[in-house]
Amino acid sequence: NAGVMQNPRHLVRRRGQEARLRCSPMKGHSHVYWYRQLPEEGLKFMVYLQKENIIDESGMPKERFSAEFPKEGPSILRIQQVVRGDSAAYFCASSQSGTNYGYTFGSGTRLTVV
Amino acid sequence: QKEVEQNSGPLSVPEGAIASLNCTYSDRGSQSFFWYRQYSGKSPELIMSIYSNGDKEDGRFTAQLNKASQYVSLLIRDSQPSDSATYLCAVTDTDKLIFGTGTRLQVFP
Repeated sequence: NAGVMQNPRHLVRRRGQEARLRCSPMKGHSHVYWYRQLPEEGLKFMVYLQKENIIDESGMPKERFSAEFPKEGPSILRIQQVVRGDSAAYFCASSQSGTNYGYTFGSGTRLTVV
Repeated sequence: QKEVEQNSGPLSVPEGAIASLNCTYSDRGSQSFFWYRQYSGKSPELIMSIYSNGDKEDGRFTAQLNKASQYVSLLIRDSQPSDSATYLCAVTDTDKLIFGTGTRLQVFP
């Protein structure tokens, strides 16, 4: 009974490259959330998706960031033309029925931009 | 801008003592409240949820909610060094959770 799976665990990108972060929700969970955590800061909401739909992207930066959750396969958070300020831990969480019972988080992807 | 506020700490308590962690939130419409524990370098782990005014106990943990004062707290009884972590308060904002910046707890032997 696997939990929320994120990969890769660590990702190093040079400035200007693209970063792709993947998240497979827990079995039976159809709600996926992405959060970013900067060092010594709290979790900042980025986007909420259900299969093939973006429900709430109010926390996504307007440029360079996009997210999808296709009918088949994992959810993808894509960061184009990365900059040093994108270095952070990116956490994916999933739930069965929205926020009612909280989320289960994946182990995160630590992105380092050099 | 809806906010969740926590004292960043660190909160230092001796082993065996009660640790008290506090959280205030700005949105009176929030319905569900959660406490997550995050060890350094790890992902957040849900430890308590509370939905109505009053206390909710689970083992050594007690969550307290006061909606009139927009206040949530977490008490940890008989604190252990293994409780040393950052504790994140989260509240619902329509379709998602918003988190406080967390309180770092240190339990010393």
